[in-house]
Amino acid sequence: KAGVTQTPRYLIKTRGQQVTLSCSPISGHRSVSWYQQTPGQGLQFLFEYFSETQRNKGNFPGRFSGRQFSNSRSEMNVSTLELGDSALYLCASSLQGRTEAFFGQGTRLTVV
Amino acid sequence: DQQVKQNSPSLSVQEGRISILNCDYTNSMFDYFLWYKKYPAEGPTFLISISSIKDKNEDGRFTVFLNKSAKHLSLHIVPSQPGDSAVYFCAAMTTDSWGKFQFGAGTQVVVTP
Repeated sequence: KAGVTQTPRYLIKTRGQQVTLSCSPISGHRSVSWYQQTPGQGLQFLFEYFSETQRNKGNFPGRFSGRQFSNSRSEMNVSTLELGDSALYLCASSLQGRTEAFFGQGTRLTVV
Repeated sequence: DQQVKQNSPSLSVQEGRISILNCDYTNSMFDYFLWYKKYPAEGPTFLISISSIKDKNEDGRFTVFLNKSAKHLSLHIVPSQPGDSAVYFCAAMTTDSWGKFQFGAGTQVVVTP
């Protein structure tokens, strides 16, 4: 059974640009969450989607947005990139009613 | 506001001995607690979880203990193996914010021969 797949694995962008990251959950998983990991702040929750609806949102500015498609695949978008957005972005999927979430390998975003 | 805290950034343990990782939390509304292991350049891997209605859960070499009155949980790994060397995160969640985990800062475990 395939795991959570995130693309791309690595990305370098310039300040002011925008970026879109993709996440394909484990087959059958309809909940997808996104996290940002930085050395200073650790793992911070961004948002969670279930059946194309955002159910929960973390404390990030509006430049961070996401969506989920009918096949449960999810994308997150960051507009007007800042140097501080450099981080590992992790996506996790879970089955409805199950607490454990399974993470992808992440997308390493570097903003220069 | 850090609601989940792992106060030990690192732990060194001999192969075959017990590793004990600790985690404290401030939000009494948390319903579920989980432990994840993370290797460099990989996503976290789920290890074990516990519901707030239980005080212990075992899975092979891993046991999680929950002390709700002290708002404290711990992960015991027995026996420790070299492959256990990784960063361990505890995480907590409430049922009304399903899928939204609050993570601790992590503890780096090094298992020495």
